Amino acid sequence: KQEVTQIPAALSVPEGENLVLNCSFTDSAIYNLQWFRQDPGKGLTSLLLIQSSQREQTSGRLNASLDKSSGRSTLYIAASQPGDSATYLCAVMYSSASKIIFGSGTRLSIRP
Amino acid sequence: DADVTQTPRNRITKTGKRIMLECSQTKGHDRMYWYRQDPGLGLRLIYYSFDVKDINKGEISDGYSVSRQAQAKFSLSLESAIPNQTALYFCATSRSAGGNYEQYFGPGTRLTVT
Repeated sequence: KQEVTQIPAALSVPEGENLVLNCSFTDSAIYNLQWFRQDPGKGLTSLLLIQSSQREQTSGRLNASLDKSSGRSTLYIAASQPGDSATYLCAVMYSSASKIIFGSGTRLSIRP
Repeated sequence: DADVTQTPRNRITKTGKRIMLECSQTKGHDRMYWYRQDPGLGLRLIYYSFDVKDINKGEISDGYSVSRQAQAKFSLSLESAIPNQTALYFCATSRSAGGNYEQYFGPGTRLTVT
């Protein structure tokens, strides 16, 4: 069964720390992997998308990596800020985009 | 203006009622998706459409139907709502050209079935 897991479910860190969020998937035959941010009661905002042929993508203080062989992706957030507090979701897309599986998310809280 | 819009944003309805949720996009994307999100769970795919004449069931399509009225519009219907359909519903779009398929989401519709 294809599954996507995000551990931990919740994380609290002080402002300024660098942190890593994890996303694991059981089937490595992915097409792409996308990281999202979701604020309470809001929609999802796309952060980064990594194609299966890529190893990492960067946007500002965010860096996402992909290791298909181990079934893992990480989202690295540098110099965290209170405004980074949100739930972070990863989504794995399999071939032909007919199957998209989301993790249940990591709720991140940055303490001032 | 938002690229992906959903109406209504909130809806309370009774068991057995028919309800329609609507999604419109101005991104010019060919692919559209409907998801539901339940507390503590990730999003689950209900239906997806690759173009106006190509509609497919997702992981949890039972109890739902969809209509792709135009490339820009994709509606989700609950023929006879039941309480366990209470959830947050999201519409998303993506573009197949270029093979990227990056998804863009609407703001969501909070549906409560009493």
